Amino acid sequence: GENVEQHPSTLSVQEGDSAVIKCTYSDSASNYFPWYKQELGKRPQLIIDIRSNVGEKKDQRIAVTLNKTAKHFSLHITETQPEDSAVYFCASYSSGGSYIPTFGRGTSLIVHP
Amino acid sequence: GAVVSQHPSRVICKSGTSVKIECRSLDFQATTMFWYRQFPKQSLMLMATSNEGSKATYEQGVEKDKFLINHASLTLSTLTVTSAHPEDSSFYICSASGGVGEKLFFGSGTQLSVL
Repeated sequence: GENVEQHPSTLSVQEGDSAVIKCTYSDSASNYFPWYKQELGKRPQLIIDIRSNVGEKKDQRIAVTLNKTAKHFSLHITETQPEDSAVYFCASYSSGGSYIPTFGRGTSLIVHP
Repeated sequence: GAVVSQHPSRVICKSGTSVKIECRSLDFQATTMFWYRQFPKQSLMLMATSNEGSKATYEQGVEKDKFLINHASLTLSTLTVTSAHPEDSSFYICSASGGVGEKLFFGSGTQLSVL
């Protein structure tokens, strides 16, 4: 089955800095890669996603890049703010079988004011 | 985005009792619903996948007789933790999708505490 590795597990930055979280996946047939933000005690919220037919997608301060050859994708947050502090999860959807997402282990992002 | 409602948000029960958690898709038909368990500061652990009108598919190591899942309609799935024990205490989250290739939306989670 699919295996998703996410790094780092913890990321601490100063307000205004950029933050980058990386994920690798194992199934070359995977074709959809969402990112979720989960604040403490709350539900994960979809913040951005990318499909395998594009290499990059941006939404204001958030961007995701995908390298299909290397089988990795990254979340980029620019001009970080304290409210960006949360746990971020990447996920990978394999196009085969039942199309069940596999989640990374999560990255705890802390933005210091 | 679509709304997924999950109830209750928090439940405290005695050991040996059963607890039912509901997950509803409010503005779309959820052909597939997923149930996850999440321990503090850890990732989402998939417990089972349920498709409307059919039996749930459980992940390896998840006891199907312990965690009963019912997906009787396109908008409702329930997870019943039977004969709960303290080790079942956890944060349980459901998610729903309108179908293959559709985005996934999460419920607000249920914090279960078994005394």
